[in-house]
Amino acid sequence: EAQVTQNPRYLITVTGKKLTVTCSQNMNHEYMSWYRQDPGLGLRQIYYSMNVEVTDKGDVPEGYKVSRKEKRNFPLILESPSPNQTSLYFCASSLQTGELFFGEGSRLTVL
Amino acid sequence: GQSLEQPSEVTAVEGAIVQINCTYQTSGFYGLSWYQQHDGGAPTFLSYNALDGLEETGRFSSFLSRSDSYGYLLLQELQMKDSASYFCAVNRDDKIIFGKGTRLHILP
Repeated sequence: EAQVTQNPRYLITVTGKKLTVTCSQNMNHEYMSWYRQDPGLGLRQIYYSMNVEVTDKGDVPEGYKVSRKEKRNFPLILESPSPNQTSLYFCASSLQTGELFFGEGSRLTVL
Repeated sequence: GQSLEQPSEVTAVEGAIVQINCTYQTSGFYGLSWYQQHDGGAPTFLSYNALDGLEETGRFSSFLSRSDSYGYLLLQELQMKDSASYFCAVNRDDKIIFGKGTRLHILP
């Protein structure tokens, strides 16, 4: 089954404790990206990657890092999480940027 | 700047037709996409307009006019399961920019 898998789905952590949200896709897509969704603000792109070892900033990259060492994986790293990073995060992939396939989302709370 | 404007909420009656508009202030983008998101779920792709004109997929149609900086999603024969949020999005320089979403309420 074609899918984008994110883990963890739910996480509560404390300020400053590094965490990684993993994202994996099995569709051989070149394009992968991360979004955060906050009430009233819609989906905002954090980082995207056009292919292995090619990443670039989206609209809200501050406080986040990503890596793309393999085509299927695109982890999101929060080196020192802060409460303003409490949000719902989605990973997505596509062959081109016209049709995104989203993961189920990861709800993160930073205390 | 780059922004997409959508109504925050729209209400329609079951069985009716509803149009959700999306206006934008950005140029040089590749196409306009639409996504549906139910409460607690992930966005799912509905349609993509690479060119001006109308694209039809079952009960859903989407339209793009680059000259008017405008697009819309048309939902026909509304069903209760269509109650959801709908987002327009553009692809510009490999970045994806989403509108803030339109919450569609359907009355029986």
